[in-house]
Amino acid sequence: DAGITQSPRHKVTETGTPVTLRCHQTENHRYMYWYRQDPGHGLRLIHYSYGVKDTDKGEVSDGYSVSRSKTEDFLLTLESATSSQTSVYFCAIRAGDTNSPLHFGNGTRLTVT
Amino acid sequence: AQSVTQPDIHITVSEGASLELRCNYSYGATPYLFWYVQSPGQGLQLLLKYFSGDTLVQGIKGFEAEFKRSQSSFNLRKPSVHWSDAAEYFCAVGPILTGGGNKLTFGTGTQLKVEL
Repeated sequence: DAGITQSPRHKVTETGTPVTLRCHQTENHRYMYWYRQDPGHGLRLIHYSYGVKDTDKGEVSDGYSVSRSKTEDFLLTLESATSSQTSVYFCAIRAGDTNSPLHFGNGTRLTVT
Repeated sequence: AQSVTQPDIHITVSEGASLELRCNYSYGATPYLFWYVQSPGQGLQLLLKYFSGDTLVQGIKGFEAEFKRSQSSFNLRKPSVHWSDAAEYFCAVGPILTGGGNKLTFGTGTQLKVEL
């Protein structure tokens, strides 16, 4: 168990509203990632972080922002949710050295109506 | 740019039969390869990884995978499938790094159904 907690687990929101998803880890790992999972697309990287206040974009970052003010928390914000952002969002951490595999949380299912 | 192709969207096998899930990758150097499994409503669990060395790697739950550089493949195999293996399987590729973030690229997944 990599000690990753995602909250909320499920959320329904309306188009145009802001939404923040939280990823919390208990083991002070440096690298954290946000992916979205959609049928036919697998998992796609949204943003990642390599330390407090250090973040970078992934392949599908438009419409998303992230923040990491503490090592243990990595927040994903949808400033103005759209229906295309309906998805399952997974947080991951990289435990160990540079080439360690990723460990995933259990996901947040977000529905934008 | 790195990419992963899992050509089979769905596979159905009988319990006790052998299994092979295909994965082809595109990457300009020696890649770092993974197989993950996802049960419904759950996150992804690491089955096995290839970094270097022996091209046949063993993983958890009786799975193994073989890295074939000449074919750019990393196929997942299991000699005898159990009903509990029904899940979605993802292949992923990433760069071997000496520093920086290891950004993995995932395939689109193969849904495995096991018939009793």
